[in-house]
Amino acid sequence: DVKVTQSSRYLVKRTGEKVFLECVQDMDHENMFWYRQDPGLGLRLIYFSYDVKMKEKGDIPEGYSVSREKKERFSLILESASTNQTSMYLCASSLPRDPTNDEQFFGPGTRLTVL
Amino acid sequence: DQQVKQNSPSLSVQEGRISILNCDYTNSMFDYFLWYKKYPAEGPTFLISISSIKDKNEDGRFTVFLNKSAKHLSLHIVPSQPGDSAVYFCAASFGNEKLTFGTGTRLTIIP
Repeated sequence: DVKVTQSSRYLVKRTGEKVFLECVQDMDHENMFWYRQDPGLGLRLIYFSYDVKMKEKGDIPEGYSVSREKKERFSLILESASTNQTSMYLCASSLPRDPTNDEQFFGPGTRLTVL
Repeated sequence: DQQVKQNSPSLSVQEGRISILNCDYTNSMFDYFLWYKKYPAEGPTFLISISSIKDKNEDGRFTVFLNKSAKHLSLHIVPSQPGDSAVYFCAASFGNEKLTFGTGTRLTIIP
């Protein structure tokens, strides 16, 4: 079974703090993704990575950066947390595109509250 | 610009009846579609998918229908069970591994 783990289930930070969200997958997947989920907005892609040290911006990258130093680990960084970054953050991983299967496997999520 | 839309934020269905969740998309380049199910405080889990070369795919109680001319897909759950109560997201992709998700529909199964 594919397992995607996230470092924290719940996190409370103060405005202006630097925040690190860690994600680890154990299935040797090339692709990793960071989303945020907000009510009425669904899942929105922040950043993704096709390979180690490679990253691409998603739909809402502003205020975020990422790091992928090892294949199994993908970190999301909030350089200076703001209250509008209070959200559920979801990490996912997948194999390279297969025409028969674009499935992504998700972690349990981190509920981040910025005060 | 919401390329994948789920126009019903919520849906209530009696246990044992059919649940039909709908999804519309605007980008005709999408060639693969997925449905995910999400319980509170958990990550989404994959439910069923369909390639654009098909118009129907079944897996047990779940069937996904794709109407390319209308840019519309639907998920049918028959019969609906209490454990089906969750938020359902449709997603679409083309040419790469990125998925574009809809806004979700909260399904409540009434016992």
